[in-house]
Amino acid sequence: DTAVSQTPKYLVTQMGNDKSIKCEQNLGHDTMYWYKQDSKKFLKIMFSYNNKELIINETVPNRFSPKSPDKAHLNLHINSLELGDSAVYFCASSHPATGPEAFFGQGTRLTVV
Amino acid sequence: AQKITQTQPGMFVQEKEAVTLDCTYDTSDQSYGLFWYKQPSSGEMIFLIYQGSYDEQNATEGRYSLNFQKARKSANLVISASQLGDSAMYFCAMSDRGTSYDKVIFGPGTSLSVIP
Repeated sequence: DTAVSQTPKYLVTQMGNDKSIKCEQNLGHDTMYWYKQDSKKFLKIMFSYNNKELIINETVPNRFSPKSPDKAHLNLHINSLELGDSAVYFCASSHPATGPEAFFGQGTRLTVV
Repeated sequence: AQKITQTQPGMFVQEKEAVTLDCTYDTSDQSYGLFWYKQPSSGEMIFLIYQGSYDEQNATEGRYSLNFQKARKSANLVISASQLGDSAMYFCAMSDRGTSYDKVIFGPGTSLSVIP
């Protein structure tokens, strides 16, 4: 049973399209995150939600909009996709009861052509 | 501002040997946490080890240990008895206040290759 699952695993789309990446965790965690890993493997936090409330919002274009319908889900919607959005996007979750570390999903490789 | 530096973009180690991956950090916070994650070629991020800034003992988890030198602001990862499956990218990370639910900054990573 996958703890943090993202769909899809691969996403290829044209510039200008709108796409969503879904994330679900079955760990009962309160906090969920989106990270972006670029082509040089550099990993940077984008957003963090705690109990469906946005707590971290890094300098990210407002074409990126996270949505948390409930504690177990944090989806990422991207409007008007650009070539520079191509990256691997990771969802993660954490909770004090399970330790200080975050549990990551398997990543979604987004390619914008 | 917080910053993580990993000065070794690539490292090689012979199987069964020990290897140290360097990590230095910069922060003005008194309370913070340091993490190491492993990313194999399959792409997933795997948590390895954690050290809180107030922890007096160096963290250990199986073959992994974290050499924490607070005054030098370093948090090196030591892998003992390297295995072929240890070949991966390794990321050092830091959070203010010491947990993942605070902002976590990642270093650029070190690519480790274990040679048979």
